[in-house]
Amino acid sequence: AQSVSQHNHHVILSEAASLELGCNYSYGGTVNLFWYVQYPGQHLQLLLKYFSGDPLVKGIKGFEAEFIKSKFSFNLRKPSVQWSDTAEYFCAVNAETTDSWGKLQFGAGTQVVVTP
Amino acid sequence: SQTIHQWPATLVQPVGSPLSLECTVEGTSNPNLYWYRQAAGRGLQLLFYSIGIDQISSEVPQNLSASRPQDRQFILSSKKLLLSDSGFYLCAWSPPAGYNSPLHFGNGTRLTVT
Repeated sequence: AQSVSQHNHHVILSEAASLELGCNYSYGGTVNLFWYVQYPGQHLQLLLKYFSGDPLVKGIKGFEAEFIKSKFSFNLRKPSVQWSDTAEYFCAVNAETTDSWGKLQFGAGTQVVVTP
Repeated sequence: SQTIHQWPATLVQPVGSPLSLECTVEGTSNPNLYWYRQAAGRGLQLLFYSIGIDQISSEVPQNLSASRPQDRQFILSSKKLLLSDSGFYLCAWSPPAGYNSPLHFGNGTRLTVT
């Protein structure tokens, strides 16, 4: 069965610092990759997604992620974080198998706290 | 535009009582519908998904069931709640076709079983 691993459960950093959140998955076939964000008190929102093409994808609010197929990774990055980036971030994968259609496998999430 | 409504936002129920959480989607037809449970430090676990009316697939064995009596209505139920059913439940929808459709989530229901 496919799985998704997020390396850090909690990250604390200062404003203007750079952020990188790791995500690895275990499936050797075609995958579709997503990062979701959940701000305090809000619902889960799509941050960015990768389906095909350029492995470096850009999302909302200055976030980007790079798909490295050889490493089964889809790390999320932001060069300079703001206090408003405090949130929980979830990596999700949809592996294109016959019975996985539409079903996302989520990582455990990373709680990011940005201090002023 | 499409919207998803989920209610109630919070619910406190005694052990052994029944449960009914409702989710409706507007602005789209024949969506795929999902129930997820979110546990702290464990991400989101897919409980049920549906590709059409009365077509429900269960991902994990549990004390819960799901029904889809109408195209854009998805209900999560239990006949007798257990303490272990406490958690944060999320309804989501996606367009009816394709592996690469992102999910759109509702605001969730915080269920506490006492």
